[in-house]
Amino acid sequence: QLQLQESGPGLVKPSETLSLICSVSGGSISSNSYYWGWIRQPPGKGLEWIGGFDHTGTTYYNPSLKSRVTISVDTSKNQLSLKLNSMSAADTAIYYCAGQMGSSGLSYWGLGALVIVSS
Amino acid sequence: QSVLTQPPSASETPGQRVTISCSGSSSNIGSNFVYWYQQFPGTAPKLLIYRNTQRPSGVPDRFSGSKSGTSASLAISGLRSEDEADYYCAAWDDSLSGHWVFGGGTKLTVL
Repeated sequence: QLQLQESGPGLVKPSETLSLICSVSGGSISSNSYYWGWIRQPPGKGLEWIGGFDHTGTTYYNPSLKSRVTISVDTSKNQLSLKLNSMSAADTAIYYCAGQMGSSGLSYWGLGALVIVSS
Repeated sequence: QSVLTQPPSASETPGQRVTISCSGSSSNIGSNFVYWYQQFPGTAPKLLIYRNTQRPSGVPDRFSGSKSGTSASLAISGLRSEDEADYYCAAWDDSLSGHWVFGGGTKLTVL
């Protein structure tokens, strides 16, 4: 059973860059058919997809965040990472990493990491 | 404003059936699968329905999904108090190089 765990700073200053890591256990992040992604949820609000990549190595980004986001994978560590620059208060949210096999939906979710943007 | 449109709230009494709608467009629901997620306060979302109508193992058959054209629906029959949660629809959108889109979420209250 795949398990995902997000890690990173809980507090980021405005204009700085957020860096989060998602560690995957119970399976290989580079396995065929897997898709991995990042989703965030501002306090009291809905889900917003940030971006992700599939087993071909193709990366996809939310058009509204594309200019600020970089998602990458470290297969040697079985980790995916998220970098979001020019952080502002509007980026305060719980950040989730999630995974799915094929078109079966996001079946695997991390617990989420709360990131607060404040000086 | 979310790309997929859901009613912000829904309510029904225990034992009854409730339906939650999700409206999109030809670039998302109209041409791709719809997924539904259930989320309880303070927890990560959980996959409830995939590929429009399929239930993952462990999801009761009280939950069902359907899709028609550019709209989809989640139905919950035999409503129970533990079904009180937020429900989100999602679909892949083929525009702008492709990206996932979510609905704004529906808070279901079991009266």
